Amino acid sequence: KAGVTQTPRYLIKTRGQQVTLSCSPISGHRSVSWYQQTPGQGLQFLFEYFSETQRNKGNFPGRFSGRQFSNSRSEMNVSTLELGDSALYLCASSSIVRTSLGGYTFGSGTRLTVV
Amino acid sequence: GQQVMQIPQYQHVQEGEDFTTYCNSSTTLSNIQWYKQRPGGHPVFLIQLVKSGEVKKQKRLTFQFGEAKKNSSLHITATQTTDVGTYFCAGPNTGGFKTIFGAGTRLFVKA
Repeated sequence: KAGVTQTPRYLIKTRGQQVTLSCSPISGHRSVSWYQQTPGQGLQFLFEYFSETQRNKGNFPGRFSGRQFSNSRSEMNVSTLELGDSALYLCASSSIVRTSLGGYTFGSGTRLTVV
Repeated sequence: GQQVMQIPQYQHVQEGEDFTTYCNSSTTLSNIQWYKQRPGGHPVFLIQLVKSGEVKKQKRLTFQFGEAKKNSSLHITATQTTDVGTYFCAGPNTGGFKTIFGAGTRLFVKA
């Protein structure tokens, strides 16, 4: 069974640009959550999608957005990149409807560097 | 807001010594989850505890969920170099559609 696939693995962008990250959950998993991980702030929740609906959103500016497609694949977009957006972006999928009632399976992440 | 706190932030041990990390929530949790992240890797789900006072073991790892369901601990007996990494606890927010992670405890094991 394939795991959670995130692309690309590494990305270097310039301030002001925008970026789109992709996540393919485990087959059959309908919930996808996104987290930002930085050394200073740990794992910070961005948003969670279930069946194409955003059910919860973290405390991030509107520059951070996401969506989920009918095949459960998800994308997140960051516009007008800032240096502080440099981080590891992790996608996690779950088969449980109330996702926090079961463990996540994380992807390997996308390492974004903004210069 | 709801918080999940973890201590210590770092722990250096000699191989063979025991290790414990503690997790405290500002609210009662319906469950607590533990993850391990190796250096350069991604978090990997270890276990979930649901019942008050629950204790679960995985080989040298012992997980406990407090009676009040607001705290938890992970104890590793006789650490090995393969135990290095960051251990995170995590719990659901009210409503249950997101999981809040503690800041993690980074374990260093000296051979």
